[in-house]
Amino acid sequence: DGGITQSPKYLFRKEGQNVTLSCEQNLNHDAMYWYRQDPGQGLRLIYYSQIVNDFQKGDIAEGYSVSREKKESFPLTVTSAQKNPTAFYLCASSISGGDTQYFGPGTRLTVL
Amino acid sequence: AQTVTQSQPEMSVQEAETVTLSCTYDTSENNYYLFWYKQPPSRQMILVIRQEAYKQQNATENRFSVNFQKAAKSFSLKISDSQLGDTAMYFCAFMKRLVNSNYQLIWGAGTKLIIKP
Repeated sequence: DGGITQSPKYLFRKEGQNVTLSCEQNLNHDAMYWYRQDPGQGLRLIYYSQIVNDFQKGDIAEGYSVSREKKESFPLTVTSAQKNPTAFYLCASSISGGDTQYFGPGTRLTVL
Repeated sequence: AQTVTQSQPEMSVQEAETVTLSCTYDTSENNYYLFWYKQPPSRQMILVIRQEAYKQQNATENRFSVNFQKAAKSFSLKISDSQLGDTAMYFCAFMKRLVNSNYQLIWGAGTKLIIKP
C-alpha cells in the first residue's frame, strides 16, 4: 500500500522538551514538506526538501529542525525554542518540487 | 506578496444541492498551478482538483468542477449533487515558484462546508 505515514497521531510534550515527529513515504517522491496548521488558518510551511541531503527553511522555521538522510524519511524536531508549538502538523510529499503534494494523516502536538 | 483569499468562512447546503466555494488569489506570474483540497473531520488533507493556469479549459473531477477566470484571478469550486461525505473544510491553494527554482504552496484560510441531510 503506497502512501505517507506520520507517527505518532497524538503527542504530548512538557515545556522545555524537544520532540521528533516522524514522516515516511513509500511513493518514491523526491520532495517532502512539513506544514503547521492552527485553528482558523491555512497551512504554513515550516521546512521543505527537494532532494535527499538538502532542505530549505519555509516561512516559520524558527524553533524547528529537520533532516533528510533517506529519500523516504523527513523527520521534524520541535525544539524548546519554539514558543507556541501546540498545533496540528502535516507532512506532504510530491514527485518533484512543482508537482501535486499528497499528505499524511497528521500529528497533533500538545504542550502541557 | 502573493495571497489567497477565501471569503466564505462557512457555508451549509442541503444534500443533493449544488454549492460553489469562492477563491481569489493575487500574483504577477503567468504560469502557475491552483488546487482545491478538502479536509474532513479526520483531518486528512485530500486533493480535490488541480488547474494549470495555461489551460483555458476548466478542470473537472466527477462531481467537482472549477470556474477558472485567469484575468479576474478567481478560482471557484462547484460541487454538484452534494453528499453528506462532502462535509469538510475546503482549502484553495496557489503554487508559486521561488527565486531558487523551488516551489511553495500558498494557502487560503479555508471554507467550512456543511452538508445537511
